[in-house]
Amino acid sequence: SAVISQKPSRDICQRGTSLTIQCQVDSQVTMMFWYRQQPGQSLTLIATANQGSEATYESGFVIDKFPISRPNLTFSTLTVSNMSPEDSSIYLCSVETRDTPYEQYFGPGTRLTVT
Amino acid sequence: KQEVTQIPAALSVPEGENLVLNCSFTDSAIYNLQWFRQDPGKGLTSLLLIQSSQREQTSGRLNASLDKSSGRSTLYIAASQPGDSATYLCAVNNYGQNFVFGPGTRLSVLP
Repeated sequence: SAVISQKPSRDICQRGTSLTIQCQVDSQVTMMFWYRQQPGQSLTLIATANQGSEATYESGFVIDKFPISRPNLTFSTLTVSNMSPEDSSIYLCSVETRDTPYEQYFGPGTRLTVT
Repeated sequence: KQEVTQIPAALSVPEGENLVLNCSFTDSAIYNLQWFRQDPGKGLTSLLLIQSSQREQTSGRLNASLDKSSGRSTLYIAASQPGDSATYLCAVNNYGQNFVFGPGTRLSVLP
């Protein structure tokens, strides 16, 4: 398994600003993912964070709005840019490890409210 | 395209009851299926992972079964407790593809 932390745990931001969310894992992992969970909804995959290269985005999500970095095998960031109230969601980081491929572990999430 | 549904959407039971949560998926060529628990406003906690070659997995009071041919999985919770109150999500993983999550079942166990 893996222990995942996210910062911040929650934030209230103003429309038009940007927020960067950090995801830190206690061990090297193969895959890192970013999900969005809008109020009352299930999880939607935003992108796969690739180490040393550009992230792979899902349909409906673009790099200009959700730039992602992954400088090494234990850390990734997701930025929510030019925020609007529709971006109010829980943002979740998840990982797959080399020992447990195709099994996902999740961080505690970042609760974002945009006013 | 894989689609995952969960029934019921919400469930309220008295403490001590045994209960079953259902998960259905449209594409049976899955690699595995994972059940999660999510407390309000929190992240997901992995409960059970069932590989495509397995029929069931057990952990404590939880038992998950998988019937690939019919595209169904069930999560059985024995002797439910108020601490089991949460949203339960299932997610399936097809070969070479990302996880697809169901909408969840919101469970309330009343003392």
